[in-house]
Amino acid sequence: AQSVTQLDSQVPVFEEAPVELRCNYSSSVSVYLFWYVQYPNQGLQLLLKYLSGSTLVKGINGFEAEFNKSQTSFHLRKPSVHISDTAEYFCAVSFNDMRFGAGTRLTVKP
Amino acid sequence: DGGITQSPKYLFRKEGQNVTLSCEQNLNHDAMYWYRQDPGQGLRLIYYSQIVNDFQKGDIAEGYSVSREKKESFPLTVTSAQKNPTAFYLCASSMWRGMPESPLHFGNGTRLTVT
Repeated sequence: AQSVTQLDSQVPVFEEAPVELRCNYSSSVSVYLFWYVQYPNQGLQLLLKYLSGSTLVKGINGFEAEFNKSQTSFHLRKPSVHISDTAEYFCAVSFNDMRFGAGTRLTVKP
Repeated sequence: DGGITQSPKYLFRKEGQNVTLSCEQNLNHDAMYWYRQDPGQGLRLIYYSQIVNDFQKGDIAEGYSVSREKKESFPLTVTSAQKNPTAFYLCASSMWRGMPESPLHFGNGTRLTVT
């Protein structure tokens, strides 16, 4: 079975600082990996996805993620965050069904 | 614009009452899903449907029921048998469940409060 662990439940950072949200996955087969963002009282929006090929994936709003097969990780990064990036971020793994991590709440402070 | 519409956005019910949450999509997607979101627990799959008139239980189906009479619509009923129904409910769709590389498209959710 596939599973996802998001290592930090909350990440506070100051505006314009870099941020990394950590995600580890567990699977005995090749899977597809996704990051979604959720703003308050809204649904989830796709940030980026890794299907195959280059291990560095670029997404919307300046986010990128790196797939590391040996460490079974798919960490999300942004070099300089804005107040508007404050949201909850979900890592997900897909094989037969989409499995989500518990989420990381990113709070960007001025 | 294509998308998923969930209604209502907020719903209040008394304990013991059944309640139905609406989900409509105009993306022409075959697969539709219902997730429940609780703080700190991520999203948990309640039911999914791959085609009209077919649906399958997810991880937490007890106390819930669904129907799929039309491709566009996948309503969720929260019955009085659901022990802890207060939660944020999200409907999603994808092109086809047999395409794991296909991302999910989400509605904006319905927040259900049962007192």
